[in-house]
Amino acid sequence: AQSVTQLDSHVSVSEGTPVLLRCNYSSSYSPSLFWYVQHPNKGLQLLLKYTSAATLVKGINGFEAEFKKSETSFHLTKPSAHMSDAAEYFCVVKGFQKLVFGTGTRLLVSP
Amino acid sequence: EAQVTQNPRYLITVTGKKLTVTCSQNMNHEYMSWYRQDPGLGLRQIYYSMNVEVTDKGDVPEGYKVSRKEKRNFPLILESPSPNQTSLYFCASSLKGGPAAGADTQYFGPGTRLTVL
Repeated sequence: AQSVTQLDSHVSVSEGTPVLLRCNYSSSYSPSLFWYVQHPNKGLQLLLKYTSAATLVKGINGFEAEFKKSETSFHLTKPSAHMSDAAEYFCVVKGFQKLVFGTGTRLLVSP
Repeated sequence: EAQVTQNPRYLITVTGKKLTVTCSQNMNHEYMSWYRQDPGLGLRQIYYSMNVEVTDKGDVPEGYKVSRKEKRNFPLILESPSPNQTSLYFCASSLKGGPAAGADTQYFGPGTRLTVL
């Protein structure tokens, strides 16, 4: 069965510093992986997705993620955090007939 | 504008009082799904539908019903709500479901916050 593990429940950064949100996946076949973001009291927005075309995936708002098969990881990064990046982030793998969500990482950005 | 809509956005009800949360998409998507979000658990699938009149259980279907009479609508029905169904509910849709979907993007509605007293 497909699964993802988000290694940090909370990550705190200062504005202007890099962001790293970690995700490991488990899959019995070549996975489709996604990162979604949820701002407070808002719905879910797709940041980016990996479809095996390229291991480095660029998304919206300056985010990117690198698929590393040898490490079964799909970490999300951004070079410089903005206050507006404060939100909850979900790493997601496509399972059979559904998306399988990680438990989420809350990103806190301080001035 | 392509979107998934849900109504109501907020609902407070009492144990045992039947309720329906509506979901509608305007993208002609075949696949639709319901998820619930609970703190520390991420989102978990309740039910999904591959197409009209085709529905199946997800991971947490107990206490819920769905129907798919039209392609655009996928209502979630709680026949006798209980406090453990207090949660944030999301409807989602994508062009296809299953293996044919590949990495199709699932589009999510804005969510319905349900409180059962």
